[in-house]
Amino acid sequence: AQTVTQSQPEMSVQEAETVTLSCTYDTSESNYYLFWYKQPPSRQMILVIRQEAYKQQNATENRFSVNFQKAAKSFSLKISDSQLGDTAMYFCAFMKPGAGSYQLTFGKGTKLSVIP
Amino acid sequence: DTGVSQDPRHKITKRGQNVTFRCDPISEHNRLYWYRQTLGQGPEFLTYFQNEAQLEKSRLLSDRFSAERPKGSFSTLEIQRTEQGDSAMYLCASSRPETQYFGPGTRLLVL
Repeated sequence: AQTVTQSQPEMSVQEAETVTLSCTYDTSESNYYLFWYKQPPSRQMILVIRQEAYKQQNATENRFSVNFQKAAKSFSLKISDSQLGDTAMYFCAFMKPGAGSYQLTFGKGTKLSVIP
Repeated sequence: DTGVSQDPRHKITKRGQNVTFRCDPISEHNRLYWYRQTLGQGPEFLTYFQNEAQLEKSRLLSDRFSAERPKGSFSTLEIQRTEQGDSAMYLCASSRPETQYFGPGTRLLVL
């Protein structure tokens, strides 16, 4: 079974600064997907970024980028130019595509606070 | 594309009552998922549909839980004889193909 570990329960960052959230995972699979989701307070889960394991290039979406280290099974999220609206719980998730199962396995999350 | 919707958004019930939640996926998404999220935790997978077929169920889905997706469109999740441990946020997501998009969730409180 896959496991996802987020070792930072809480983090804070000054507005306009850069912050990196950590995620490690355990799997014996070679083909899989990794995701970062954002869940603002009392609001719904929003996809931030996605990475296919077969792609060596790190995914980037505007101010959000990942550092995907397949051999180390590490998938960190970097948020540049942090904004107050980035305050949220951030969840790292793993998915193994294939016959039958497309479920996401989530970490416990990191609570990010952006300080004005 | 109106997004995934869920109804109701909040439900308070007494222990032993039955409750039913509804999820309307993004149109033409053939995959639909249910997850449960308790306070301070990440969502945990409950069950998965491809079209109208329920293809996978987690061991978390006890006999008191049942899910359906008639005609491959909306889905319902029913909990019979609710227990206080069922109190949680129930999330629905849909996808086509791999990326899952979540609804706002139904927050259940069992008294």
